[in-house]
Formats: sequence, structure tokens, C-alpha cells
Amino acid sequence: AQKITQTQPGMFVQEKEAVTLDCTYDTSDQSYGLFWYKQPSSGEMIFLIYQGSYDEQNATEGRYSLNFQKARKSANLVISASQLGDSAMYFCAMREGRRVTGGGNKLTFGTGTQLKVEL
Amino acid sequence: NAGVTQTPKFRILKIGQSMTLQCTQDMNHNYMYWYRQDPGMGLKLIYYSVGAGITDKGEVPNGYNVSRSTTEDFPLRLELAAPSQTSVYFCASSRTRENTEAFFGQGTRLTVV
Repeated sequence: AQKITQTQPGMFVQEKEAVTLDCTYDTSDQSYGLFWYKQPSSGEMIFLIYQGSYDEQNATEGRYSLNFQKARKSANLVISASQLGDSAMYFCAMREGRRVTGGGNKLTFGTGTQLKVEL
Repeated sequence: NAGVTQTPKFRILKIGQSMTLQCTQDMNHNYMYWYRQDPGMGLKLIYYSVGAGITDKGEVPNGYNVSRSTTEDFPLRLELAAPSQTSVYFCASSRTRENTEAFFGQGTRLTVV
């Protein structure tokens, strides 16, 4: 079974609107972390936001927020006030705890969502 | 700030050739990683290292080798290149603490023909 599932291959949003990118995960560990990365057409991987499994509040970083629903095992990324520069591929990733992975802080990635922001 | 530097950025290899992808980081991170990204897919872990002299296999290690003689450098070796190794390769590094993000290099686009 996939550990990280991103069910939206592509999304469109109007400029200045908010958009939610879905991410569900599967783990047996109690201690894990969830990350979102942005990959523009130039190819680099840009870190956006992090949520720890024990964090009580949803993470926010500027226009990015993470809607963390632990019981549902979902960690959706919300981008508010979309801009043309937000057009990119977005990846959700998970880091499981040492008990599961043996250490090393390794990331498991989803297949990504291609976001296109339109005028 | 250089961060994570990968060389080369692009390379075309013939089937059966060998090459080394270079990766160096200047953040004094203990953990380093090699991922590959196939078209339209997420990243998959090839190898990782938790410190100088220590390496371990990731999800897709076949056809690759690594070494970690220093904290800064983590080269990835391809022996006997195959078309299935056509991919974009990313090197990354992170601190030891689990809640910190991984920093990625710019990637190496490799084509095996």
C-alpha cells in the first residue's frame, strides 16, 4: 500500500483564490512528520511547511497552511490568495520515526499534484 | 550560501558506461540522501547516509553505489548504465533532528541511450 497518496494529478485555481491540495498517509508509527515541497518547472525542490504528529496546532507559513486531521490521516496543503508564481508541482512527504525506519530521517514522497494558477 | 551542490546538471550516457554524480553540502549536515525522480512521479530513495563512513540502502538501490568519506561529500556511482536509470537525480541533506526539512540540490538530469 502507498504510504503517501495524492489523488489529484492536476488542479486549476483562479488567481487570488484559495486552493486545497490533498494528501493522505499511512503509518503505524505514533511519531512522524509531514512535509510539503514545491517543484517549479525549473526543477528544484523547495520546502514549504512541516507538521509534526504531536503538534496540536496546524502549521502555517505565510500563505501556506496545513490542515492536519490525524484521525483521518490527512495533511492537506491550503494555499491562500493564489499567485501565478504558485504554478508548480506540489509533493507531500512523510518522515516516520526511528522505530519504523531504523533512523536516517528518510522521506517518503507522494506522486505530486500539478497546480496551475490562471488569471 | 551554497547549500547542496550537485554536478553535473545534465548528462547523456551510453548503455554500459559508468559515471559518478557528485554531491557536496556546506551546512555540516550529518544526514545525506540520493533520490531519483522518474517522469510524472514522486521521489524515490536510492541510498542514504547518517554520517561519514555510514551508508545504507533505500527503496531502489540496484545499479548504484555510494560512499561517504567526509561529512560534506556523498557521491553516487552508476556502474553499467541502463535505460531504466534515465531519471532526474536529487541529492539532499538534513540535520539530525527529525522535525527539520531536507535541503535539496538542483538535480542532475541523466539520460541513458
